[in-house]
Amino acid sequence: AQKITQTQPGMFVQEKEAVTLDCTYDTSDPSYGLFWYKQPSSGEMIFLIYQGSYDQQNATEGRYSLNFQKARKSANLVISASQLGDSAMYFCAMRETSGYSTLTFGKGTMLLVSP
Amino acid sequence: GAVVSQHPSWVICKSGTSVKIECRSLDFQATTMFWYRQFPKQSLMLMATSNEGSKATYEQGVEKDKFLINHASLTLSTLTVTSAHPEDSSFYICSARDGGQGTSGNTIYFGEGSWLTVV
Repeated sequence: AQKITQTQPGMFVQEKEAVTLDCTYDTSDPSYGLFWYKQPSSGEMIFLIYQGSYDQQNATEGRYSLNFQKARKSANLVISASQLGDSAMYFCAMRETSGYSTLTFGKGTMLLVSP
Repeated sequence: GAVVSQHPSWVICKSGTSVKIECRSLDFQATTMFWYRQFPKQSLMLMATSNEGSKATYEQGVEKDKFLINHASLTLSTLTVTSAHPEDSSFYICSARDGGQGTSGNTIYFGEGSWLTVV
């Protein structure tokens, strides 16, 4: 079974609108971390936001916020006031923090922001 | 579904030795593979892009003689850290682009990463 599921292959949003990118995860480890990365066409991976499984509050970083619903095992990324430069591939990832844990990525969502 | 297998998941080596990390696409042909290194504060730095049968393209600041990348076949790329030093200790992760023509074409899949500790 997939550990990280991103069900939206592509999303369109108009500039200045908010957009939510979905991510659900599967783990039996009580301690884990959830990440969102942005990948522009250059291939680099830009870290956006992190949520720990024990964090009480949803993470926020500027225009990015993470809608963390632990019981539903979802960690959706919300981008407010979209900008043209937000057009990129977005990956959700999870690290289970037991031992030498690995980093598991979803398949990504391509976001296109239109003027 | 498509899977990228990275091996080993973790390795400890002595300073001065070399260590090889493999990245395999298990059920698709990966025309392009990418190698990343994760730094503190979670950022993933692109080290190099490798295309099957040709030399890897290294990002600025990455020593090509230290981080040898070989993409000998459409399903395998290797990263060899030569003369490893403690500062090379990090989490290395690869990704592979599905070169197929079908609906999965151009999709990028990630390996689960490899922890390298140099002592």
